[in-house]
Amino acid sequence: GQNIDQPTEMTATEGAIVQINCTYQTSGFNGLFWYQQHAGEAPTFLSYNVLDGLEEKGRFSSFLSRSKGYSYLLLKELQMKDSASYLCAVNTGFQKLVFGTGTRLLVSP
Amino acid sequence: DGGITQSPKYLFRKEGQNVTLSCEQNLNHDAMYWYRQDPGQGLRLIYYSQIVNDFQKGDIAEGYSVSREKKESFPLTVTSAQKNPTAFYLCASYGAGTGLSGANVLTFGAGSRLTVL
Repeated sequence: GQNIDQPTEMTATEGAIVQINCTYQTSGFNGLFWYQQHAGEAPTFLSYNVLDGLEEKGRFSSFLSRSKGYSYLLLKELQMKDSASYLCAVNTGFQKLVFGTGTRLLVSP
Repeated sequence: DGGITQSPKYLFRKEGQNVTLSCEQNLNHDAMYWYRQDPGQGLRLIYYSQIVNDFQKGDIAEGYSVSREKKESFPLTVTSAQKNPTAFYLCASYGAGTGLSGANVLTFGAGSRLTVL
């Protein structure tokens, strides 16, 4: 089966840094995605990792370790608008993309 | 602009009725997906299609059916056999993303919210 784990909820303060972890055990692996989803809206793409290492894009970075089945999303200089759910998804092969349960991030002033 | 269009945005159904949710994309992507999202939860895969005239069951296919007669279209029918159909349904397609060189991404429609009365 496929198992993708994320913390259910996290809180942080405006201006701070937060790291959201994702661990996975899947039958196959062909890349890992991070998506942001505001309440009642569709998810929007944040980042993609297929090789080990860090991908940086502005205030957001994503890290992957394939040997450990582990990824994290790092958000810097948090803003109130970053309050949302963050979804980790794995391409398990043959274009089958499976999502974790998502992490709800609450940013407070 | 390229994108995915889902309709209707909101739908109410009586118990025992079948309903069909529409999904159309003009991104020229081969693969398309249907996910279900319940309040406060992640996305669960219902069906996906890698190519026209072919589709596979996801993790929660029971009570749902799909067709893929055209590359652009992947409608989902929620049948009366689905015991708890009230949910937010998201259609997506997978392929070259806008603004990213060489990276395939999953692009979502705006979603359809189904409520069973």
